Amino acid sequence: AQKITQTQPGMFVQEKEAVTLDCTYDTSDPSYGLFWYKQPSSGEMIFLIYQGSYDQQNATEGRYSLNFQKARKSANLVISASQLGDSAMYFCAMSSGSYGNKLVFGAGTILRVKS
Amino acid sequence: NAGVTQTPKFRVLKTGQSMTLLCAQDMNHEYMYWYRQDPGMGLRLIHYSVGEGTTAKGEVPDGYNVSRLKKQNFLLGLESAAPSQTSVYFCASSSTGRYGYTFGSGTRLTVV
Repeated sequence: AQKITQTQPGMFVQEKEAVTLDCTYDTSDPSYGLFWYKQPSSGEMIFLIYQGSYDQQNATEGRYSLNFQKARKSANLVISASQLGDSAMYFCAMSSGSYGNKLVFGAGTILRVKS
Repeated sequence: NAGVTQTPKFRVLKTGQSMTLLCAQDMNHEYMYWYRQDPGMGLRLIHYSVGEGTTAKGEVPDGYNVSRLKKQNFLLGLESAAPSQTSVYFCASSSTGRYGYTFGSGTRLTVV
């Protein structure tokens, strides 16, 4: 079975500072993908970043980077230079071909950026 | 615009009524999924499909049925709605690989 754990129900960060959102995962499949999604108050799911289990380098997309520690089974999202528009719910998710390509989500972390 | 379209966007049902949620994608994706989102629980998989004519149960399938008669459409049915099915429902589709998942805008369902 696959499982995603996000232990931070809510986080605050000061505008322009960096913030790390935690994510740990569990799977027996050696090939898997890790995703982060942002869900603003409007409700849509916005893809942020992806890390493959065999990728040698940590993924980066603009202000987003994924701190992938395979041995510890963690895939933390780092947001640099936080902006007010970053206030949203953030979900970590995992998929693998062995499980029908299903995307399994964590419970999410609400991020609030303070001005 | 290409993507995943869900209808309706909002619906209020009385307990015991039935309804069907429609999901349509125009990206020729093989995989389609129905999730429900409840506060504090993230998105949970209800049913999914790995190709036309196939369906499979996810994490929380009870009270729901699905059909995928055409590759581009994935229908979610509630035969006898219950207040516990009040939720936001998301449809998604995917190919394989890192950028494959596309979500619809969601359906907010209230069962009274």
